[in-house]
Amino acid sequence: QVQLQESGPGLVKPSGTLSLTCAVSGISVSNTNWWSWVRQPPGKGLEWIGEIFYSGSTNYNPSLKSRVTISVDKSKNQFSLKLSSVTAADTAVYYCARRVGATGRIDYWGQGTLVIVSS
Amino acid sequence: QSALTQPASVSGSPGQSITISCTGTSSDVGGYNYVSWYQQYPGKAPKLMIYDVSKRPSGVSNRFSGSKSGSTASLTISGLQAEDEADYYCSSYTSISTWVFGGGTKLTVL
Repeated sequence: QVQLQESGPGLVKPSGTLSLTCAVSGISVSNTNWWSWVRQPPGKGLEWIGEIFYSGSTNYNPSLKSRVTISVDKSKNQFSLKLSSVTAADTAVYYCARRVGATGRIDYWGQGTLVIVSS
Repeated sequence: QSALTQPASVSGSPGQSITISCTGTSSDVGGYNYVSWYQQYPGKAPKLMIYDVSKRPSGVSNRFSGSKSGSTASLTISGLQAEDEADYYCSSYTSISTWVFGGGTKLTVL
């Protein structure tokens, strides 16, 4: 059974860096899948942040590209998100997810973790 | 990249059929057969309902179907049930190798 679980600080100071990790179980991150991050501000819609292939190739949302880094750690079977220079606008529930390669099928999602940007 | 356009809300009575539209451009919805639909209950993670325009994952009711015409994709729910009341989001691949979501549609079952 494939499971994804986000972890990281729930509170980040403005101008700081948001760091989250997604632990994957039931499947290897080295499989031919894309590992994704999606966020949802309170009361608002979904926003795609970016994704990483097991080989390390990445795609990022152009509006966040200058601040985002997604990486994969095959030894720990997990992948991570770093978002720098955060502001209150980055307050959101952050989800990690699996997209099946060569399709638009994002079929496994973590439960989500709320990150608040505040001093 | 701009969010795909969805109606803010739709409603229907039990047993009826409803359709939610998702309008993009030739650089996303119109250019690729990579449109997906997600159902989301409050406080829960999204659930995949349709992918690649019209494919249904195992376990998803056949009351849910997807289609596309030009730059507009559609999700149809037939035989509406109370449990279908949720938020629905479309997403599409784009010409710059990214993905974009729609703004979301709140479905109310009357």
